[in-house]
Amino acid sequence: DAKTTQPNSMESNEEEPVHLPCNHSTISGTDYIHWYRQLPSQGPEYVIHGLTSNVNNRMASLAIAEDRKSSTLILHRATLRDAAVYYCIPSNTGNQFYFGTGTSLTVIP
Amino acid sequence: DTGVSQDPRHKITKRGQNVTFRCDPISEHNRLYWYRQTLGQGPEFLTYFQNEAQLEKSRLLSDRFSAERPKGSFSTLEIQRTEQGDSAMYLCASSLRGGRNTIYFGEGSWLTVV
Repeated sequence: DAKTTQPNSMESNEEEPVHLPCNHSTISGTDYIHWYRQLPSQGPEYVIHGLTSNVNNRMASLAIAEDRKSSTLILHRATLRDAAVYYCIPSNTGNQFYFGTGTSLTVIP
Repeated sequence: DTGVSQDPRHKITKRGQNVTFRCDPISEHNRLYWYRQTLGQGPEFLTYFQNEAQLEKSRLLSDRFSAERPKGSFSTLEIQRTEQGDSAMYLCASSLRGGRNTIYFGEGSWLTVV
């Protein structure tokens, strides 16, 4: 399983962009990069995933480095509802996920 | 899409008692996963099923834990002779086999062993 390194915590002001980094230098060529977030007392929620190209959806954007050893989750305008723990998970298709401790995002009003 | 549902959401039990959690996956999903999460930690994988077959079990899953998925639909996770260290949130998730392998989680079942 690819190991990941994420900051333990980050802060952002409300309505400003947030860039959440993740290093996954041991990622394999077939691993997708998944991002999930978890609000207090809830199950993890899917945010976005990608393989090589940058990806956008209604929740966020995912920027993947050319060598795939790192990625950045981008929240374009942080809201108070975005306060959560964000997990970066490289995963093979067909395998279960291994979560780390993630990044706890605090959004300041 | 009704999502993954888990029952009960909260359970308080005395040490030594047995408890059972149920998970109903998203209807067309043939893979079902169980995870455990303690305070301040990320979810930890316990086991997963493809249809009714249990394909992998983590070493975290002691002999007191058993999971089933009869007929490849809902699943149950039973913990026998509960210990205080079993206190955690038990998460169920489901996915379609292969493809993008996006896993969808339920809200979790909180277990407190007193």
